[in-house]
Amino acid sequence: NAGVTQTPKFQVLKTGQSMTLQCAQDMNHNSMYWYRQDPGMGLRLIYYSASEGTTDKGEVPNGYNVSRLNKREFSLRLESAAPSQTSVYFCASSEQGGTGRSFGSGTRLTVV
Amino acid sequence: GENVEQHPSTLSVQEGDSAVIKCTYSDSASNYFPWYKQELGKRPQLIIDIRSNVGEKKDQRIAVTLNKTAKHFSLHITETQPEDSAVYFCAASPPSGNTPLVFGKGTRLSVIA
Repeated sequence: NAGVTQTPKFQVLKTGQSMTLQCAQDMNHNSMYWYRQDPGMGLRLIYYSASEGTTDKGEVPNGYNVSRLNKREFSLRLESAAPSQTSVYFCASSEQGGTGRSFGSGTRLTVV
Repeated sequence: GENVEQHPSTLSVQEGDSAVIKCTYSDSASNYFPWYKQELGKRPQLIIDIRSNVGEKKDQRIAVTLNKTAKHFSLHITETQPEDSAVYFCAASPPSGNTPLVFGKGTRLSVIA
């Protein structure tokens, strides 16, 4: 039981490049989330998927898109990376919105 | 929507002393309050949570108290140890099953040996 698995762990992009962060969970959770974490800013929600087939914007969705591929997988795409998107990205899952999150190990993204 | 304020932003205590971190929330309908611990370079991990039908919950050296009237909840760590040093996040969740948690901005706890 791996929990929440994120790939890649580290990535460096040039401004304007695109990439997709992958996330998969094996806990049969209904809800999945993408957060970014910047120093002093806590965890800010980018997008979430309350259940398979649905996605909703969070606090900071601009510059990102998501896909809930199936119940297990939830990907985050940066279409044209900007230096402001340099951050640590965490994927998380839960049975539903009002329950505890299980977090992936994070992706450290640097945009130069 | 829900807003969670967390204080203090940094906290230093001597080993063996107690540490208290406080959070306030704005939505009186919120009914689930978890606490997460994040060690340096690691992922946040759930350490304790409480629901609004309970006033206090303990798990060994950690406890959480909830005051629904005042809309605040607190994390208490007793007999602190160096391995308690981390960033702690509180969160609150409105009752809708599909509404995400709202996190506080975190408290960096340093336990000085």
